[in-house]
Amino acid sequence: NAGVTQTPKFRILKIGQSMTLQCAQDMNHNYMYWYRQDPGMGLKLIYYSVGAGITDKGEVPNGYNVSRSTTEDFPLRLELAAPSQTSVYFCASSYVAANTEAFFGQGTRLTVV
Amino acid sequence: TQLLEQSPQFLSIQEGENLTVYCNSSSVFSSLQWYRQEPGEGPVLLVTVVTGGEVKKLKRLTFQFGDARKDSSLHITAAQPGDTGLYLCAGTYSGAGSYQLTFGKGTKLSVIP
Repeated sequence: NAGVTQTPKFRILKIGQSMTLQCAQDMNHNYMYWYRQDPGMGLKLIYYSVGAGITDKGEVPNGYNVSRSTTEDFPLRLELAAPSQTSVYFCASSYVAANTEAFFGQGTRLTVV
Repeated sequence: TQLLEQSPQFLSIQEGENLTVYCNSSSVFSSLQWYRQEPGEGPVLLVTVVTGGEVKKLKRLTFQFGDARKDSSLHITAAQPGDTGLYLCAGTYSGAGSYQLTFGKGTKLSVIP
């Protein structure tokens, strides 16, 4: 099984550019999440979704947008990239809720210059 | 935003030594999970604890959930170089949306051969 697949793995953006980080899971999980991880820090929740068509903000949503048109896909959109968005981004999914195991992708390392 | 404090932040020990890392909060957890993350990879679940006072063992790793469900510990016996990695605790809280996992900053463990 592929599990959670994130693309791209690395990306360099210029200030003000936009991009979409892709995330797909093949486990038929209802819950999907986007986290960012800065050096020396834990993971901070950006957005999450409890099912197709339903999304909600996490702890640090400013500067990001998401959509969930299908169960499998949960893309993260960065508009007007800023240096503060330099980070490693992780997508995760779980079957029911946060009390069950969250499966993570390998991450996307984004640098904004 | 609920805060999870992990200690120590860094730990460097010799192979064969024992160690304990801690995860604390001022709030009561609904459940708590421990993850291990290796460089360039996403976190992988080690264990989930739900009941106050619960103890779970995974080979040389022992996980304990405090009676009041506000704290947890991870004890490793006879550490090996393969235990090297970032250990993250993640909790969900009573009253919060069950679909939000809050992560601590992690304990970076290095086991020297």
